[in-house]
Amino acid sequence: AQSVTQLDSQVPVFEEAPVELRCNYSSSVSVYLFWYVQYPNQGLQLLLKYLSGSTLVESINGFEAEFNKSQTSFHLRKPSVHISDTAEYFCAAGTGRRALTFGSGTRLQVQP
Amino acid sequence: NAGVTQTPKFQVLKTGQSMTLQCAQDMNHNSMYWYRQDPGMGLRLIYYSASEGTTDKGEVPNGYNVSRLNKREFSLRLESAAPSQTSVYFCASSEARTGWAPNEQFFGPGTRLTVL
Repeated sequence: AQSVTQLDSQVPVFEEAPVELRCNYSSSVSVYLFWYVQYPNQGLQLLLKYLSGSTLVESINGFEAEFNKSQTSFHLRKPSVHISDTAEYFCAAGTGRRALTFGSGTRLQVQP
Repeated sequence: NAGVTQTPKFQVLKTGQSMTLQCAQDMNHNSMYWYRQDPGMGLRLIYYSASEGTTDKGEVPNGYNVSRLNKREFSLRLESAAPSQTSVYFCASSEARTGWAPNEQFFGPGTRLTVL
């Protein structure tokens, strides 16, 4: 069985500051990791994913995440956030056999 | 392409009433999923369908039934609604897995259900 833990339920940050959203997973088999973003009153959209290869993955809007197998983590980072990044972010893990397992979400609140 | 569509967007039920949530996708995906989203609990899988004609229970299937009507449509039915089923329900779809890695899931806009 696998599980995903997002340690922070809310992260307030000022505009243009850096941010890190933490995600840890547990799995007895090889795992594949995803970050999804949910803007208010919308469904989830894929932000980035790690399947294999380079452990550092990037999204088109400046976010990046690093797969760290020894620490079982997949933290999401952005060096400078914008007001428009305000949303809820979900980390998810999958082993390919069934649907994804999602974390409880982190609400990023970017303040001017 | 509309992607994944869900109806209705909002619904209020009384305890004991039944209803069906509809989901359709136009991306020719084989796999479809139903999740519920509750505050502080993320998304939890209710049922999924790996391909047309098959359905499997997820993490929280009690109180729900599903029908994979055809490749495009996957409905979720509440036979006797309970206040504990108040939630936001999301449908998602993905390509069938061709290797070991899971494919990206595409989500609908959600149905906000309140059971009084």
